[in-house]
Amino acid sequence: SQTIHQWPATLVQPVGSPLSLECTVEGTSNPNLYWYRQAAGRGLQLLFYSVGIGQISSEVPQNLSASRPQDRQFILSSKKLLLSDSGFYLCAWSPMGQLNQPQHFGDGTRLSIL
Amino acid sequence: RKEVEQDPGPFNVPEGATVAFNCTYSNSASQSFFWYRQDCRKEPKLLMSVYSSGNEDGRFTAQLNRASQYISLLIRDSKLSDSATYLCALDTGGFKTIFGAGTRLFVKA
Repeated sequence: SQTIHQWPATLVQPVGSPLSLECTVEGTSNPNLYWYRQAAGRGLQLLFYSVGIGQISSEVPQNLSASRPQDRQFILSSKKLLLSDSGFYLCAWSPMGQLNQPQHFGDGTRLSIL
Repeated sequence: RKEVEQDPGPFNVPEGATVAFNCTYSNSASQSFFWYRQDCRKEPKLLMSVYSSGNEDGRFTAQLNRASQYISLLIRDSKLSDSATYLCALDTGGFKTIFGAGTRLFVKA
Protein backbone atom coordinates (compact mmCIF):
# COMPACT_ATOMS: atom_id res chain seq x y z
CA SER A 1 0.00 0.00 0.00
CA GLN A 2 1.01 3.58 -0.50
CA THR A 3 2.25 5.74 2.33
CA ILE A 4 3.29 9.36 2.52
CA HIS A 5 5.77 10.71 5.02
CA GLN A 6 6.22 14.32 5.91
CA TRP A 7 8.61 15.91 8.37
CA PRO A 8 9.15 17.58 10.68
CA ALA A 9 5.79 17.50 12.45
CA THR A 10 6.33 20.87 14.07
CA LEU A 11 8.80 23.65 13.49
CA VAL A 12 9.45 27.00 15.11
CA GLN A 13 11.58 29.36 13.08
CA PRO A 14 12.61 33.00 13.40
CA VAL A 15 11.68 35.53 10.74
CA GLY A 16 14.27 35.64 8.00
CA SER A 17 15.51 32.10 8.52
CA PRO A 18 15.51 29.46 5.76
CA LEU A 19 13.07 26.57 5.50
CA SER A 20 13.14 23.07 4.15
CA LEU A 21 10.21 20.68 4.48
CA GLU A 22 10.43 17.23 3.00
CA CYS A 23 7.83 14.80 1.78
CA THR A 24 8.31 11.28 0.43
CA VAL A 25 5.85 8.79 -0.94
CA GLU A 26 6.26 5.01 -0.87
CA GLY A 27 4.49 2.24 -2.69
CA THR A 28 3.78 4.01 -5.95
CA SER A 29 5.69 5.37 -8.92
CA ASN A 30 5.46 8.75 -10.63
CA PRO A 31 2.85 10.18 -8.29
CA ASN A 32 1.42 13.63 -8.69
CA LEU A 33 2.65 15.61 -5.69
CA TYR A 34 1.22 18.69 -4.01
CA TRP A 35 2.08 21.22 -1.32
CA TYR A 36 -0.74 23.01 0.49
CA ARG A 37 -0.85 25.55 3.28
CA GLN A 38 -3.73 25.86 5.70
CA ALA A 39 -3.95 28.95 7.88
CA ALA A 40 -5.70 28.56 11.23
CA GLY A 41 -9.42 28.03 10.68
CA ARG A 42 -9.10 28.39 6.94
CA GLY A 43 -9.23 26.23 3.85
CA LEU A 44 -6.41 24.60 1.93
CA GLN A 45 -4.33 26.83 -0.31
CA LEU A 46 -2.51 25.01 -3.11
CA LEU A 47 1.08 26.24 -3.27
CA PHE A 48 2.80 23.91 -5.75
CA TYR A 49 2.14 20.73 -7.65
CA SER A 50 4.31 18.41 -9.68
CA VAL A 51 3.44 15.77 -12.26
CA GLY A 52 7.02 14.55 -12.70
CA ILE A 53 10.65 14.93 -11.68
CA GLY A 54 11.79 18.49 -12.14
CA GLN A 55 8.31 19.65 -13.13
CA ILE A 56 6.96 22.22 -10.70
CA SER A 57 3.89 24.38 -11.13
CA SER A 58 3.47 27.33 -8.81
CA GLU A 59 0.03 28.49 -7.86
CA VAL A 60 0.74 31.50 -5.71
CA PRO A 61 3.68 33.90 -6.12
CA GLN A 62 5.49 34.13 -2.81
CA ASN A 63 8.81 33.59 -1.13
CA LEU A 64 8.44 29.81 -1.21
CA SER A 65 9.79 27.38 -3.77
CA ALA A 66 9.44 23.67 -4.40
CA SER A 67 11.64 21.02 -5.92
CA ARG A 68 11.28 17.40 -6.90
CA PRO A 69 14.77 15.95 -7.03
CA GLN A 70 13.56 12.36 -7.10
CA ASP A 71 10.40 10.68 -8.30
CA ARG A 72 8.84 10.31 -4.88
CA GLN A 73 10.42 13.23 -3.06
CA PHE A 74 8.94 16.71 -2.86
CA ILE A 75 10.64 19.55 -1.00
CA LEU A 76 9.26 22.92 0.03
CA SER A 77 11.83 25.64 0.68
CA SER A 78 12.28 29.26 1.52
CA LYS A 79 15.39 31.39 1.74
CA LYS A 80 13.86 33.89 4.16
CA LEU A 81 10.70 33.19 6.10
CA LEU A 82 8.07 35.83 6.73
CA LEU A 83 5.61 36.04 9.61
CA SER A 84 2.85 35.34 7.11
CA ASP A 85 4.42 31.95 6.30
CA SER A 86 3.08 30.52 9.56
CA GLY A 87 0.58 27.76 9.02
CA PHE A 88 -0.06 24.08 8.59
CA TYR A 89 1.80 22.70 5.57
CA LEU A 90 0.46 19.58 3.96
CA CYS A 91 1.97 17.38 1.30
CA ALA A 92 -0.34 15.20 -0.76
CA TRP A 93 -0.13 12.68 -3.58
CA SER A 94 -2.43 11.22 -6.20
CA PRO A 95 -1.88 8.45 -8.75
CA MET A 96 0.23 9.34 -11.77
CA GLY A 97 -1.50 10.16 -15.00
CA GLN A 98 -4.94 9.56 -13.65
CA LEU A 99 -7.21 12.51 -13.67
CA ASN A 100 -9.97 12.92 -11.16
CA GLN A 101 -8.39 10.86 -8.42
CA PRO A 102 -8.56 11.81 -4.75
CA GLN A 103 -5.48 13.14 -3.06
CA HIS A 104 -4.00 11.61 0.05
CA PHE A 105 -2.26 13.73 2.64
CA GLY A 106 0.75 13.43 4.87
CA ASP A 107 0.53 14.21 8.56
CA GLY A 108 1.47 17.84 7.98
CA THR A 109 4.02 20.24 9.40
CA ARG A 110 2.89 22.93 11.78
CA LEU A 111 5.16 25.94 11.19
CA SER A 112 5.32 28.86 13.58
CA ILE A 113 7.32 31.96 12.70
CA LEU A 114 8.52 34.11 15.56
CA ARG B 1 -19.06 33.39 -7.02
CA LYS B 2 -16.35 31.39 -5.28
CA GLU B 3 -15.18 28.20 -6.95
CA VAL B 4 -16.43 26.17 -4.02
CA GLU B 5 -18.45 27.25 -1.02
CA GLN B 6 -19.41 25.56 2.20
CA ASP B 7 -21.40 26.70 5.18
CA PRO B 8 -18.70 27.00 7.84
CA GLY B 9 -21.12 26.07 10.61
CA PRO B 10 -20.64 25.04 13.26
CA PHE B 11 -23.41 22.50 13.25
CA ASN B 12 -24.21 21.41 16.80
CA VAL B 13 -26.26 18.23 16.88
CA PRO B 14 -27.12 15.62 19.52
CA GLU B 15 -26.01 12.04 19.25
CA GLY B 16 -28.26 10.05 16.98
CA ALA B 17 -29.30 13.02 14.89
CA THR B 18 -29.18 13.21 11.12
CA VAL B 19 -27.20 16.10 9.70
CA ALA B 20 -26.57 17.21 6.13
CA PHE B 21 -23.99 19.50 4.59
CA ASN B 22 -24.00 21.06 1.18
CA CYS B 23 -21.16 22.28 -0.97
CA THR B 24 -21.76 24.44 -4.03
CA TYR B 25 -19.33 24.80 -6.89
CA SER B 26 -19.06 27.07 -9.90
CA ASN B 27 -17.00 25.05 -12.41
CA SER B 28 -19.48 23.08 -14.47
CA ALA B 29 -16.57 21.15 -16.02
CA SER B 30 -15.68 19.45 -12.74
CA GLN B 31 -15.99 15.69 -13.00
CA SER B 32 -14.87 14.32 -9.68
CA PHE B 33 -16.07 15.17 -6.24
CA PHE B 34 -14.96 14.10 -2.80
CA TRP B 35 -15.68 14.54 0.87
CA TYR B 36 -12.81 14.69 3.35
CA ARG B 37 -12.84 14.66 7.11
CA GLN B 38 -10.34 16.75 9.06
CA ASP B 39 -9.89 16.39 12.79
CA CYS B 40 -8.50 19.27 14.79
CA ARG B 41 -4.83 19.87 13.99
CA LYS B 42 -4.70 16.83 11.75
CA GLU B 43 -4.48 16.23 8.02
CA PRO B 44 -7.61 15.82 5.88
CA LYS B 45 -8.55 12.21 5.25
CA LEU B 46 -10.66 10.99 2.37
CA LEU B 47 -14.11 10.10 3.61
CA MET B 48 -15.71 9.16 0.32
CA SER B 49 -15.88 9.92 -3.35
CA VAL B 50 -19.13 11.26 -4.74
CA TYR B 51 -20.59 9.52 -7.76
CA SER B 52 -23.25 10.79 -10.11
CA SER B 53 -25.72 8.18 -8.97
CA GLY B 54 -25.11 8.92 -5.32
CA ASN B 55 -23.34 6.54 -2.98
CA GLU B 56 -23.58 5.30 0.53
CA ASP B 57 -21.01 4.05 3.00
CA GLY B 58 -22.56 2.95 6.23
CA ARG B 59 -24.09 5.98 7.91
CA PHE B 60 -22.75 8.34 5.27
CA THR B 61 -24.49 9.19 2.02
CA ALA B 62 -23.07 11.45 -0.66
CA GLN B 63 -24.99 12.92 -3.54
CA LEU B 64 -24.24 15.04 -6.55
CA ASN B 65 -26.63 17.48 -8.18
CA ARG B 66 -25.03 18.64 -11.43
CA ALA B 67 -27.95 20.80 -12.47
CA SER B 68 -27.74 22.92 -9.35
CA GLN B 69 -23.99 22.38 -8.98
CA TYR B 70 -23.76 21.12 -5.46
CA ILE B 71 -22.78 18.01 -3.60
CA SER B 72 -24.14 16.91 -0.27
CA LEU B 73 -23.12 14.72 2.62
CA LEU B 74 -25.69 13.15 4.91
CA ILE B 75 -24.70 11.62 8.21
CA ARG B 76 -27.26 9.45 9.93
CA ASP B 77 -27.24 8.38 13.57
CA SER B 78 -24.47 10.84 14.46
CA LYS B 79 -21.77 9.64 16.84
CA LEU B 80 -19.56 11.69 19.12
CA SER B 81 -16.65 10.54 16.97
CA ASP B 82 -18.17 12.23 13.92
CA SER B 83 -17.21 15.60 15.38
CA ALA B 84 -14.77 17.08 12.86
CA THR B 85 -14.53 19.48 9.97
CA TYR B 86 -15.85 18.16 6.67
CA LEU B 87 -14.24 19.46 3.50
CA CYS B 88 -15.65 19.07 0.04
CA ALA B 89 -13.27 18.82 -2.88
CA LEU B 90 -13.57 18.75 -6.65
CA ASP B 91 -11.29 18.60 -9.62
CA THR B 92 -10.66 21.65 -11.78
CA GLY B 93 -10.39 19.71 -15.02
CA GLY B 94 -6.79 18.63 -14.64
CA PHE B 95 -4.48 17.39 -11.94
CA LYS B 96 -5.55 19.98 -9.42
CA THR B 97 -8.23 19.71 -6.80
CA ILE B 98 -9.90 22.60 -5.08
CA PHE B 99 -11.06 22.29 -1.49
CA GLY B 100 -13.82 24.02 0.37
CA ALA B 101 -13.00 25.76 3.64
CA GLY B 102 -14.95 23.12 5.52
CA THR B 103 -18.01 22.74 7.71
CA ARG B 104 -17.48 22.14 11.40
CA LEU B 105 -19.64 19.54 13.10
CA PHE B 106 -19.98 19.06 16.83
CA VAL B 107 -21.91 16.03 18.02
CA LYS B 108 -22.91 16.25 21.67
CA ALA B 109 -24.01 13.60 24.12
